Amino acid sequence: GAVVSQHPSWVICKSGTSVKIECRSLDFQATTMFWYRQFPKQSLMLMATSNEGSKATYEQGVEKDKFLINHASLTLSTLTVTSAHPEDSSFYICSANQIYGTTGYEQYFGPGTRLTVT
Amino acid sequence: GEDVEQSLFLSVREGDSSVINCTYTDSSSTYLYWYKQEPGAGLQLLTYIFSNMDMKQDQRLTVLLNKKDKHLSLRIADTQTGDSAIYFCAGTSGTYKYIFGTGTRLKVLA
Repeated sequence: GAVVSQHPSWVICKSGTSVKIECRSLDFQATTMFWYRQFPKQSLMLMATSNEGSKATYEQGVEKDKFLINHASLTLSTLTVTSAHPEDSSFYICSANQIYGTTGYEQYFGPGTRLTVT
Repeated sequence: GEDVEQSLFLSVREGDSSVINCTYTDSSSTYLYWYKQEPGAGLQLLTYIFSNMDMKQDQRLTVLLNKKDKHLSLRIADTQTGDSAIYFCAGTSGTYKYIFGTGTRLKVLA
């Protein structure tokens, strides 16, 4: 199947700094990517839908100025956590849609990025 | 919006069958999915079922779908210690958006 990578796999940063997480579709083009957040022992919560060449669509309750998403190419979406605070510490997972024909699709998930804010 | 519920824990002995259950509220999902997540790792797609099917079998995995009751289950035959993980069911809401269940932590005892 198709592969989605994330970089870095883990990052520790100081409170108040910004952190950028990359999500890449390695062997297919993805016009749509998704960013999820997972707290320990909890489910995945969709944060936003990243659309190539246009603004991201954020889910209710997600601060768009804090979680900046850029989808500048068909294989790369980035999530920047700005002015990070300890409560932003979480596991961030991205996914990318591979489209088949006119209506078929399959969503592939990245391995996740663990962010720890000290 | 879609609400997907799962029981939190399941413990079975090695060699027994495991059954993980999932209930959902929105019946508009075209596909329903089962994912496995090992500690500190991302999601691995195990299997999926088309919404007009009742059952799908894939080696040790059997998915049952009861659309009337909005109930989905995953049966793992001959459960092994390597099957210990968190299992998520997921449906879709609207176009492409996945809604995940709360996750079931499966522990396999040797």
